[in-house]
Order: sequence, then C-alpha cells, then structure tokens
Amino acid sequence: GNSVTQMEGPVTLSEEAFLTINCTYTATGYPSLFWYVQYPGEGLQLLLKATKADDKGSNKGFEATYRKETTSFHLEKGSVQVSDSAVYFCALSPTYNTNAGKSTFGDGTTLTVKP
Amino acid sequence: GAGVSQSPRYKVAKRGQDVALRCDPISGHVSLFWYQQALGQGPEFLTYFQNEAQLDKSGLPSDRFFAERPEGSVSTLKIQRTQQEDSAVYLCASSLHRAGDSYNEQFFGPGTRLTVL
Repeated sequence: GNSVTQMEGPVTLSEEAFLTINCTYTATGYPSLFWYVQYPGEGLQLLLKATKADDKGSNKGFEATYRKETTSFHLEKGSVQVSDSAVYFCALSPTYNTNAGKSTFGDGTTLTVKP
Repeated sequence: GAGVSQSPRYKVAKRGQDVALRCDPISGHVSLFWYQQALGQGPEFLTYFQNEAQLDKSGLPSDRFFAERPEGSVSTLKIQRTQQEDSAVYLCASSLHRAGDSYNEQFFGPGTRLTVL
C-alpha cells in the first residue's frame, strides 16, 4: 500500500531561521501531494499542494517541489516566524484509480519557533 | 458557517456503549471522508463517500464501525460496543470534487475527541 514518511520532530528553530521538513512517499501511479498544517487548537488546513512531477506548491512563504525521481516532497521556508509554530503533515492522495479516496498521511512534525 | 462542523467536540463513553459522531460538510461538497487520529500520529483513513454512495470503507477497523451519508450531505460515524482502543480524535473532511481529481482539496472539521473509559 501507499505510505508517507516524514521527518521526526520536534523541530525547534529561532525566528528567521531556514526550515526544511523532509517527506518521502511510496505509491503506485501518480498521486497528488499535500502539506497540511495544524495550528494549536485548530483543525488541519491545507498549506500547499502539487499534482504532478516537478510541480512546486507554495503558500505563505512555504514551498515544496514534487520530485518523482526521489519520491520526495520536502517542505521549506527561508525565514520562519513565531506564528509558524504548528504541526505539519505531509500527505498523498491517489488519482484516478479505485483507491482514489484513500489519502495517506505522515505522522506529523511539530515545529516550534522561538523569538 | 462556511466550514466543516462536527459534533460533539468531546465524547466520553463507557466501554461497551454505542456512540454516534456527526459531520456537517461544506454545502455542495461531493466527497466526504472520515479519519481516525491517534495521539501523536497522522490521520488514518476510515471511509469515503461520493454523495450518498460509500465507495471505500476499507479503513474501518472492525465491523463495530459503521458510517452513513443517506442524503449525500450530513454523515454519521457510529461505533458499537466501544473499546478502549477506539479512543482517538475522529476527523471528518469534505471536498468539492470526486476523490481522484488531481485538484481535490480536503477541508477538515475540528474533530471529535472520543475517550472510552
């Protein structure tokens, strides 16, 4: 079956530091890839997505590139802020097959940014 | 409200009780998903509806779990004879398009935290 492996946390950074959270996946076919974020006390919300190889998703200064050759979708941000403190989930969704509804999530990476 | 809502937000049940968890998706959304999230882990897929049709229930952990969406909008996840291992946060998500559409984005509700004593 499909799987998503993301960097274990927690990750603690100082404000304005560079962020990378690694995510690799195994899947059949050509899934869509997502990063979701969960801020303290809130539900999961979509941060960014990419639907095909070499696509770059971006939002709020975060970026991730769909790398089929390395089956990766690493999340990056050049300068983090305290408000970026949250749990980040990498996820994949199959496309156009019988398991299309069955999304797979990583276990989440907790990011804490200190002033 | 414009988002996905779930009720109750918290539920405490004694072992052996039946529980029912409700999800109100965003109006007009075709797809509805249920997930189970254990502490410190990511959401695990339970089941998926396209309108009123349950197209995938392969993630339901046992026959004690049952989900329905009879009119293609509100959905209920029912757990019979609850066990301690059922304690988790149950998340509902909806999306505008069919699952498998590469532009599909899921919108999540706040979840129901179930504690089985």
